[in-house]
Amino acid sequence: DAGVIQSPRHEVTEMGQEVTLRCKPISGHNSLFWYRQTMMRGLELLIYFNNNVPIDDSGMPEDRFSAKMPNASFSTLKIQPSEPRDSAVYFCASSYTSGGLGETQYFGPGTRLLVL
Amino acid sequence: DQQVKQNSPSLSVQEGRISILNCDYTNSMFDYFLWYKKYPAEGPTFLISISSIKDKNEDGRFTVFLNKSAKHLSLHIVPSQPGDSAVYFCAASALGNQFYFGTGTSLTVIP
Repeated sequence: DAGVIQSPRHEVTEMGQEVTLRCKPISGHNSLFWYRQTMMRGLELLIYFNNNVPIDDSGMPEDRFSAKMPNASFSTLKIQPSEPRDSAVYFCASSYTSGGLGETQYFGPGTRLLVL
Repeated sequence: DQQVKQNSPSLSVQEGRISILNCDYTNSMFDYFLWYKKYPAEGPTFLISISSIKDKNEDGRFTVFLNKSAKHLSLHIVPSQPGDSAVYFCAASALGNQFYFGTGTSLTVIP
């Protein structure tokens, strides 16, 4: 079975450009999470969706960040405009939750973003 | 503020010896804890979990210990193997809500 799929795997862009990261969760999973990994803060949760509905976006650092989940099999994380401090690895994860969100999450391979 | 802390960014262990990775947390409401393992250029993968109703959970060479009074979690790997070299993240959640991750500990097992 395919795991969580993320694209692109690497992205290099210039400051001020729009960046769109994409995620396809595992089929049948109903929760989707976007994380950012940095050396200083480890894995930070940016936003999560349950049944395609954004539940908590308090981790989104600024208005420059936005995320959508138009259907159960696709989500995007957009940064507009991008800044050098956004450089990090962005992970998407999914899980099946029947109640709370304490179930194991399955991570994609990540998108390594470099903003010059 | 980090609710889950891994104070050792790196650890080196000889093959065959025990690896002990530590994790501290501040939120007493956390009731479910996990360890994830991450290889370079890959996403984290689930390794082992423990509920707050237990103080130990074992799976093969991996054992997680939970000390609720100290708000401390540890992962023991015995015996350590070179393939265990990776970054290990601990994570915690409260009442089925979102997970909070630590900053990770990079383990190197020396052959």
